[in-house]
Amino acid sequence: QQQVKQSPQSLIVQKGGISIINCAYENTAFDYFPWYQQFPGKGPALLIAIRPDVSEKKEGRFTISFNKSAKQFSLHIMDSQPGDSATYFCAASFRQGKLTFGTGTRLTIIP
Amino acid sequence: KAGVTQTPRYLIKTRGQQVTLSCSPISGHRSVSWYQQTPGQGLQFLFEYFSETQRNKGNFPGRFSGRQFSNSRSEMNVSTLELGDSALYLCASSLEGGPGNTIYFGEGSWLTVV
Repeated sequence: QQQVKQSPQSLIVQKGGISIINCAYENTAFDYFPWYQQFPGKGPALLIAIRPDVSEKKEGRFTISFNKSAKQFSLHIMDSQPGDSATYFCAASFRQGKLTFGTGTRLTIIP
Repeated sequence: KAGVTQTPRYLIKTRGQQVTLSCSPISGHRSVSWYQQTPGQGLQFLFEYFSETQRNKGNFPGRFSGRQFSNSRSEMNVSTLELGDSALYLCASSLEGGPGNTIYFGEGSWLTVV
């Protein structure tokens, strides 16, 4: 049973545009929602994370929006740059135990 | 500060063999987790170790096992390898694996089973 659904599977955005990736979860016990960025040949790297007691968290060009009632959260990348081209994974965990990952979004930023 | 180190980075094994992968966590980190990444199944949790004890386990067959040493280094073993075990195996570490502890990943060990 997939507990974290991620969309879209792939995304192409023009340089300077806004990239938006969405995730939905089922388990209401989840209390930690990180986003990871993965480049080819590398392990996932933590980008930004949020807890359900806040609705938004911003770090530089990256923002997580969280909707607890809808059980959804999303990643917004403002002013997208070619260097942002990577695969992004949302994840969820309970008490920061094991991470349950979404299926990933391959983001391509074109000039 | 060195990151999570995994060895070997690449290996090729024959079906039926067994393999051992090694992970050195970030200095001071006591929780080590293992994940399997495949194109079809994505990233899936294998198990987590803390203070040499398995604290959490995913839904993988008993052929997948692990252990943690007193210095927090960890190994995972896969016995009787199957073609479907071909994957990137990722090790992750955190201070204690609990609330407030960020989880950091290594670059992974690429296993190909032929």
